[in-house]
Amino acid sequence: DIVLTQSPATLSVTPGESVSLSCRASQGISTSIHWYQQKSNESPRLLIKFASQSISGIPSRFSGSGSGTDFTLSINRVESEDFSVYYCQQSYSLPWTFGGGTKLELK
Amino acid sequence: QVQLKESGPGLVQPSQTLSLTCTVSGLSLTSNSVSWIRQPPGKGLEWMGVIWSNGGTDYNSAIKSRLSISRDTSKSQVFLKMNSLQTEDTAMYFCARVKRPYYGHWVMDAWGQGASVTVSS
Repeated sequence: DIVLTQSPATLSVTPGESVSLSCRASQGISTSIHWYQQKSNESPRLLIKFASQSISGIPSRFSGSGSGTDFTLSINRVESEDFSVYYCQQSYSLPWTFGGGTKLELK
Repeated sequence: QVQLKESGPGLVQPSQTLSLTCTVSGLSLTSNSVSWIRQPPGKGLEWMGVIWSNGGTDYNSAIKSRLSISRDTSKSQVFLKMNSLQTEDTAMYFCARVKRPYYGHWVMDAWGQGASVTVSS
């Protein structure tokens, strides 16, 4: 199975800061990585698909990059509504797997 | 507008079988695939399996022996059945639409609200 390692586990920031969240795959997965945001007691919401493709309705401050084994989710100028948990997920091969998540919290 | 909604019993006894239903609207199950994903309290997400648009299935090998996913296309429903439940199966269970924007590439782009399942006597 492909293991996805997200870092850091927790990121403490103040609104207005720009941040980068990392996701590393245990083997090359091309660009078959997706990013989800999950707020407390809600279902995950797709933010970025296939490493860098934007999703309709998602604010433009969210962007993704990477290929192969190293991927990054960037948030330009964090807003208060962004404090939640972020997961990466690969669809390169079955079983599809998720990273352990990065919690973005208010400093 | 694509919508998915999970339903099922909130409480299941240990060793019993869990049955959940995912009712979809705004999409056809003959041209869309649906996955099940679960999340234990306070923990991360685990992909469980998928029923493809052609009716074929794939499962996570960790739970494959206990899991079955099926569907009724006429009712726009996907079913999950998992037997021999234990306390560690306590989780929120989600269904999600699997979209294939181009050949060989898939993404879970719409999720249901989830169904909470507690395994306890």
